[in-house]
Amino acid sequence: AQRVTQPEKLLSVFKGAPVELKCNYSYSGSPELFWYVQYSRQRLQLLLRHISRESIKGFTADLNKGETSFHLKKPFAQEEDSAMYYCALKDNQGGKLIFGQGTELSVKP
Amino acid sequence: KAGVTQTPRYLIKTRGQQVTLSCSPISGHRSVSWYQQTPGQGLQFLFEYFSETQRNKGNFPGRFSGRQFSNSRSEMNVSTLELGDSALYLCASRVAGVDEQFFGPGTRLTVL
Repeated sequence: AQRVTQPEKLLSVFKGAPVELKCNYSYSGSPELFWYVQYSRQRLQLLLRHISRESIKGFTADLNKGETSFHLKKPFAQEEDSAMYYCALKDNQGGKLIFGQGTELSVKP
Repeated sequence: KAGVTQTPRYLIKTRGQQVTLSCSPISGHRSVSWYQQTPGQGLQFLFEYFSETQRNKGNFPGRFSGRQFSNSRSEMNVSTLELGDSALYLCASRVAGVDEQFFGPGTRLTVL
């Protein structure tokens, strides 16, 4: 079955510390993975996608097919990074996204 | 360019009633998806519409239905409401063939 797992509900770090939000997936085939973010009182929005291999707001994520993971990383967390982060897997049918439960990132000053 | 809009933003209904939620996608976006968000189950896919046709459906009972109009606006309907239908319902639109989905602010449905 297709599934996305985010093991941490809450991750709390201090400003300037490295951060890693974990995401594991279960999918038969070649996965397409995304990280979506929801800042306080804002809409859910795309942060980055694995296929573009880009860095957005200092965040990167590497697809590791061997470990079926797509962890989100940032070397130096900022207070404005505090938000809810969702890992999502694109179903092979159309635009259906399968979301993880989300991880709340709290960056303390 | 205006974002995805959803109406109403808040809704209170009682068990057994039915409800219709509306979503207006970004201009030019012909694909509209609906998601249910609850604290327990997280974000779950309901269905996707493209050019007035349902392309994909999630694992929800038949009480949940939707449709899309020729102007790409979409509605979802929930009949015979249950307490467990209380949730934030999110609509997302995208350009066909492009992965990025743009989400609306959601409609908060409370069933009493």
